Amino acid sequence: GQNIDQPTEMTATEGAIVQINCTYQTSGFNGLFWYQQHAGEAPTFLSYNVLDGLEEKGRFSSFLSRSKGYSYLLLKELQMKDSASYLCAVLDSNYQLIWGAGTKLIIKP
Amino acid sequence: GAVVSQHPSWVICKSGTSVKIECRSLDFQATTMFWYRQFPKQSLMLMATSNEGSKATYEQGVEKDKFLINHASLTLSTLTVTSAHPEDSSFYICSARDLASGRDTDTQYFGPGTRLTVL
Repeated sequence: GQNIDQPTEMTATEGAIVQINCTYQTSGFNGLFWYQQHAGEAPTFLSYNVLDGLEEKGRFSSFLSRSKGYSYLLLKELQMKDSASYLCAVLDSNYQLIWGAGTKLIIKP
Repeated sequence: GAVVSQHPSWVICKSGTSVKIECRSLDFQATTMFWYRQFPKQSLMLMATSNEGSKATYEQGVEKDKFLINHASLTLSTLTVTSAHPEDSSFYICSARDLASGRDTDTQYFGPGTRLTVL
C-alpha cells in the first residue's frame, strides 16, 4: 500500500532550527510537496522537490532522497508565526496526491 | 489512519458538460468537508466548506451556481462543476475533518485529488 509517515507533533524554541522528516512508500513518484497549514486556513505551498538534493528558500529548506524515500523540511530562525501544521504529500505515478497526516509544530518563546 | 477517497481520479469532458466529483471519508464521519482547487506548484485555494445537512459556505469569488456542493451524509460530499469550460481544468482536492478524533479538531485529512480536463 501507499504510505507517508511524519511525526505527529514537534516542539521547538523561537530562534532555533527544526527539521521535520517525511518518509514515503508510494507507487511511483512524481514529486514531493511541503505545505504549511495554520488552524482554520487552507494549506499554503512551501516547496516542491522532484530531484535529489536540498532546495533553499529563505528560512525554509527542503531535502529529498528518492533512493531512501525520504524528505525533510528544515525551518531556521523559528518565529512564533511558524506554529502550524506541516503537510508532506507525494504525487504518485498516477499523479494522485498521497498525503501525510501532518506534523503539528509548536513554537515556544 | 483516517482515509479520504475521491472519485473519479481523472476526468476529461467536453466544454459545456457537467462533472460530478465525489469525496468520501472511508473510516470516519465528517460533518465538515472542504473543497480546494490547486494550480501547479501553488497553494491550495479553498473553494467552499461543506457541512452535512446544510448549505455549503463558498469563498469569495467562487460561483456557487457553477460549483454545486452537496453533503448529504456524514461520509460523502459531492462537487458538481456545471457547464464546465477549459478554464475550469484543474486539480480538485477535498478534505474532511474528523470531529470524533479526541485530538486536534482542526486536523484535516486530504483526498488524493481529481484531475479535471475540459476540452
